[in-house]
Amino acid sequence: GAGVSQSPRYKVAKRGQDVALRCDPISGHVSLFWYQQALGQGPEFLTYFQNEAQLDKSGLPSDRFFAERPEGSVSTLKIQRTQQEDSAVYLCASSLVLTLRSPRGQYFGPGTRLTVL
Amino acid sequence: AQRVTQPEKLLSVFKGAPVELKCNYSYSGSPELFWYVQYSRQRLQLLLRHISRESIKGFTADLNKGETSFHLKKPFAQEEDSAMYYCALSREYGNKLVFGAGTILRVKS
Repeated sequence: GAGVSQSPRYKVAKRGQDVALRCDPISGHVSLFWYQQALGQGPEFLTYFQNEAQLDKSGLPSDRFFAERPEGSVSTLKIQRTQQEDSAVYLCASSLVLTLRSPRGQYFGPGTRLTVL
Repeated sequence: AQRVTQPEKLLSVFKGAPVELKCNYSYSGSPELFWYVQYSRQRLQLLLRHISRESIKGFTADLNKGETSFHLKKPFAQEEDSAMYYCALSREYGNKLVFGAGTILRVKS
């Protein structure tokens, strides 16, 4: 079956523009995560949804970052007034169960590479 | 706060040699530890987790709470093992993963 998909795969934005990144999790997956991966670093947690509820947004770096998952499936990460430091790969992951204690852990998407000029 | 340290950015070994990718963590509770792997042009995927105590593709990792380590080992490296490896941690009842910076493993023929 299809895995986690993300679109667009690449996005170039001028500083100050707003961007929206989409994540389609695996069908039926309850949990959805967003991570930010800067060049040469490991992924860093941004936010977590359980169905449509955003249960943890402690990793969002500023109020310019906003995520939603209104119907408990597709999620959108929006970044307003992009800055150069927002340039990174944004990863989405989904998980079937409510916690990480499932045999297969989190399934990751291919990521969206955002470049802010 | 939780933290994961992978001290080596790059580990280069010859085919057939043993491999050990180091991972140390800091967390005061009982964490769950994972190894994720990313092969060239592929997405990040789970390799193994300490709670499973299994060997995947010949790799094993033992959680050493005394040394706060979760090193990844394989007795005989193969060229197809070349990839980026990330060690990650989650709290015992948490959901988010805390990743290390990753180690590139290059297996030379």
